[in-house]
Amino acid sequence: NAGVTQTPKFQVLKTGQSMTLQCAQDMNHNSMYWYRQDPGMGLRLIYYSASEGTTDKGEVPNGYNVSRLNKREFSLRLESAAPSQTSVYFCASSGRQDYGYTFGSGTRLTVV
Amino acid sequence: LAKTTQPISMDSYEGQEVNITCSHNNIATNDYITWYQQFPSQGPRFIIQGYKTKVTNEVASLFIPADRKSSTLSLPRVSLSDTAVYYCLVGDIGDSWGKLQFGAGTQVVVTP
Repeated sequence: NAGVTQTPKFQVLKTGQSMTLQCAQDMNHNSMYWYRQDPGMGLRLIYYSASEGTTDKGEVPNGYNVSRLNKREFSLRLESAAPSQTSVYFCASSGRQDYGYTFGSGTRLTVV
Repeated sequence: LAKTTQPISMDSYEGQEVNITCSHNNIATNDYITWYQQFPSQGPRFIIQGYKTKVTNEVASLFIPADRKSSTLSLPRVSLSDTAVYYCLVGDIGDSWGKLQFGAGTQVVVTP
């Protein structure tokens, strides 16, 4: 069982370029999330999707868009990358709330 | 949202017990307390969750006093592999977990 799979693992972008981070879970979870983690800091929520067909902004949504393609997949798009978006991005999912989140292994993004 | 406060860092030796206390003075009636562990270059991992009194699993114990304004994560007989960042989260288990905030966590360093 793969859990939460994120692609790519590493990416370097030039300022102004766009890209989509992919996330898929195979645990039949309803809720999915995108976080960013800057060096030495905790995770900050970008967007989340409580269920298929719904998305909501988190703490730091500016500069990002998301798509809940189906129950399994939740993608994060950077339309015009900026150096301030250099970070590690984590996708997570949750089903039964008493089991907490399951996180992916992260995407390390550098914007130059 | 219940704000949490935990120490920035803690040092320990192998074989000792590590106790990390998290303060959450404005915890609400429906809030649960959840702890996560994060190793470098990995996503956080769910450790334990509780509502009141004591919860124990194969990894840790969680102590919650009657007033629930704080909680203590106890890691028995730590090893080098327990070196990680530990996060305390407080939130309504019936609500969307997407509203939870991770904070900076507690860096635990275990030395021989």
